[in-house]
Amino acid sequence: GQNIDQPTEMTATEGAIVQINCTYQTSGFNGLFWYQQHAGEAPTFLSYNVLDGLEEKGRFSSFLSRSKGYSYLLLKELQMKDSASYLCAVRDSNYQLIWGAGTKLIIKP
Amino acid sequence: ETGVTQTPRHLVMGMTNKKSLKCEQHLGHNAMYWYKQSAKKPLELMFVYNFKEQTENNSVPSRFSPECPNSSHLFLHLHTLQPEDSALYLCASSPGLAGGPSTDTQYFGPGTRLTVL
Repeated sequence: GQNIDQPTEMTATEGAIVQINCTYQTSGFNGLFWYQQHAGEAPTFLSYNVLDGLEEKGRFSSFLSRSKGYSYLLLKELQMKDSASYLCAVRDSNYQLIWGAGTKLIIKP
Repeated sequence: ETGVTQTPRHLVMGMTNKKSLKCEQHLGHNAMYWYKQSAKKPLELMFVYNFKEQTENNSVPSRFSPECPNSSHLFLHLHTLQPEDSALYLCASSPGLAGGPSTDTQYFGPGTRLTVL
């Protein structure tokens, strides 16, 4: 079966750095997405990786290793507004998105 | 502001009621999606429409009935639901590809929080 694993919950301190990991086992691979979802709101697109390596967008970076079936989202200079759930999703060989259950990130002052 | 709107934002209904959820996208996209989001579970894809044609129906019970009258509007008609259908129902859209599955980034609406009593 297809599976996306990410930690259920993480806690970090304002101003610090946090890394949220995502491992996947899917039938084929056509890209990996990270979304942010604040409580009661829509998931919003953060990043897309299809080739190995690091993609940087301001305070957020996303890394992919296709050979290891692994990605991480790196958040720097954490702010209170970064408290949210972070969803990892992989597009399989049929171009369907397979979703993880999300990681709830709690930022403490 | 994601360009995808959903109404109503909250809905409480009995098991014998009939109601409809509405989604509208203002992004000029050609593919639209319905997802179910339950607490601490992955998003579950329910239906996909690509250029107004239904391309996916992931074994969804017949008490959920989608309708896509044009590429900007998507409805989910609900009847005789069960308490376990209580969840957040999310609509999404993406640019879409003619003649095949969408491979593009999906943009989500804020969802309808549904409670079935």
